[in-house]
Order: sequence, then structure tokens, then C-alpha cells
Amino acid sequence: DTEVTQTPKHLVMGMTNKKSLKCEQHMGHRAMYWYKQKAKKPPELMFVYSYEKLSINESVPSRFSPECPNSSLLNLHLHALQPEDSALYLCASGGGPRYGYTFGSGTRLTVV
Amino acid sequence: AQSVTQPDIHITVSEGASLELRCNYSYGATPYLFWYVQSPGQGLQLLLKYFSGDTLVQGIKGFEAEFKRSQSSFNLRKPSVHWSDAAEYFCAVDHTGGFKTIFGAGTRLFVKA
Repeated sequence: DTEVTQTPKHLVMGMTNKKSLKCEQHMGHRAMYWYKQKAKKPPELMFVYSYEKLSINESVPSRFSPECPNSSLLNLHLHALQPEDSALYLCASGGGPRYGYTFGSGTRLTVV
Repeated sequence: AQSVTQPDIHITVSEGASLELRCNYSYGATPYLFWYVQSPGQGLQLLLKYFSGDTLVQGIKGFEAEFKRSQSSFNLRKPSVHWSDAAEYFCAVDHTGGFKTIFGAGTRLFVKA
């Protein structure tokens, strides 16, 4: 099994659309993360969930809305995005500071 | 504030040659330190990590890294590079209990035949 699974792999959406990115982890980790990565840049932290509660929001615009329905699932709801929001969106899970993260393969989002 | 510096934007090595990627961090205490690798269009994969103990750590795919407190460095090495090692490499630090990992800008590795 892939340990962190993200769907869809690719998404093209208009600026008036509503869509959701999904992430599922099979690691039993306590924390889950959303990162945004622009081309040729490092990942930038967006949100952190710990024990299903939002613990960090890195001043992300409200057009991005995270949700953690249970300890294995993480969603990112998208609404009224801008073309500059086009990027690779990465989900990760972590078992604690000593262990690092397990990343999914990402969703390539294009906003038109 | 903590930061991570990877001085080399890109490096080119010949297949079979040795490799060293540099990483320096800025933080008062010893943070948790990581190296990740990312192939084009993919997620990141953890290569190795350091948080205490032996300053030379072994990772996957034949990589190792050495923590040097006096130089605030955590350089990644591999004795013999393979063409499949061509990718982006990120050094990362975390001192907040696993909730906020900061990534360096990355070093792109090119491998020539």
C-alpha cells in the first residue's frame, strides 16, 4: 500500500469552481500537513493538524479551507482560487519530531 | 528565527563520482535535522534524519550525513553516484516538536554519464 495517498493527481479548475483535494494516510501518525510547492521552490507549510485539530494555519487565504474528518483523512477545500494558486499541493503525515514526514505524491493544481 | 541554507542551487557530478551536498542551519540549540529527495513531479522522500547520538547517520539509497555542531552543518554524502540519483535534495530542520519543519531552498543534482 502507498502510505500517504493523494487524489486527484492532477486538477484543472476555473476561478469560480469549488473543488477538494483529498489525502489519506495509513501510517497511524498523529499529525497531518498541507504544503504548497511552486516550481523550483521548497515546500511551504499551509496547515497542520494534530490529533484531528487544526494547530497551525500559516496565514493562508480563506479560499483554502482544510478539514480533518478523522485521524487518517485530510481534505483541502478550494473555492474562488486565483491563477497564482497553481502549484503542487503536498500532503504529509508525521509520527513525531524524531521521525520526519511521509509525503504523498501530490496534486498538481492548475487554476485557469 | 531558525533558518536553513543550502549554498548550492545546482551541482553536476559524473556517474560513479562522490557527492557532497551542503546544508547549514541557524538555531541556538541542536534541532532535528533531515534530508529529503524529490524526483520531478513527485512528493518528497525522507533520506535520513538526525536528532542526537552518533553524528554520522546512515540513510536509504546509500546516503549518509554528518552533523557538525561547531559548523552548524549537516552535509549529505554519497560515495558513488548513480544516474537515478538525479533529483532535487532538500535539507530541513524542526525544533518545534514535529509541527513545523523548515526546508532549505534545495539543491538540484545533475548526473552526467
